[in-house]
Amino acid sequence: GQNIDQPTEMTATEGAIVQINCTYQTSGFNGLFWYQQHAGEAPTFLSYNVLDGLEEKGRFSSFLSRSKGYSYLLLKELQMKDSASYLCAVIGGYSTLTFGKGTMLLVSP
Amino acid sequence: EAQVTQNPRYLITVTGKKLTVTCSQNMNHEYMSWYRQDPGLGLRQIYYSMNVEVTDKGDVPEGYKVSRKEKRNFPLILESPSPNQTSLYFCASSARDSGGGDTQYFGPGTRLTVL
Repeated sequence: GQNIDQPTEMTATEGAIVQINCTYQTSGFNGLFWYQQHAGEAPTFLSYNVLDGLEEKGRFSSFLSRSKGYSYLLLKELQMKDSASYLCAVIGGYSTLTFGKGTMLLVSP
Repeated sequence: EAQVTQNPRYLITVTGKKLTVTCSQNMNHEYMSWYRQDPGLGLRQIYYSMNVEVTDKGDVPEGYKVSRKEKRNFPLILESPSPNQTSLYFCASSARDSGGGDTQYFGPGTRLTVL
């Protein structure tokens, strides 16, 4: 089976740094995605990790540890527009894609 | 512009009245899928298609049908909708299945209410 855990909600202040964690237990592992989803809109791609380590893309970075079944998304220099839901999705065996329930991030002034 | 389109965007219907939600992509992607999103449950895959005439069940296929007669189109059919199918539906496509790390591109969503 597939099990993906993320915190339900997080709050942070504009300009700060926030780390959103994702732990997973899946049948097979072929990579992990992070998506951003604003309320009422479609998810949009943020990052993809398949090897251990940190991938950096501007203000956003994503980390993966396959041995620990763990990933995090790091958001720096937070802006109000970063208020959104962040979805962790794991590619399991047979290339099935399973999403976590998402972490709602609220950025306040 | 590369995109995935869905129609309708909003639909209110009644129990038992057959409906179809269309999905079309212009990126020549092989892989397409349908998800539903419900509060507290996240995105759950309904059906997916690896290519024309190749479809398979996802995690929550009951009450849904799909077809893939052409590469660009992947309609979702509800033969006899019920209130528990009230949800936000997303169609997505990618060049290949997710095993290759190809990101999925999502359509804008269809908000369905079944009374």
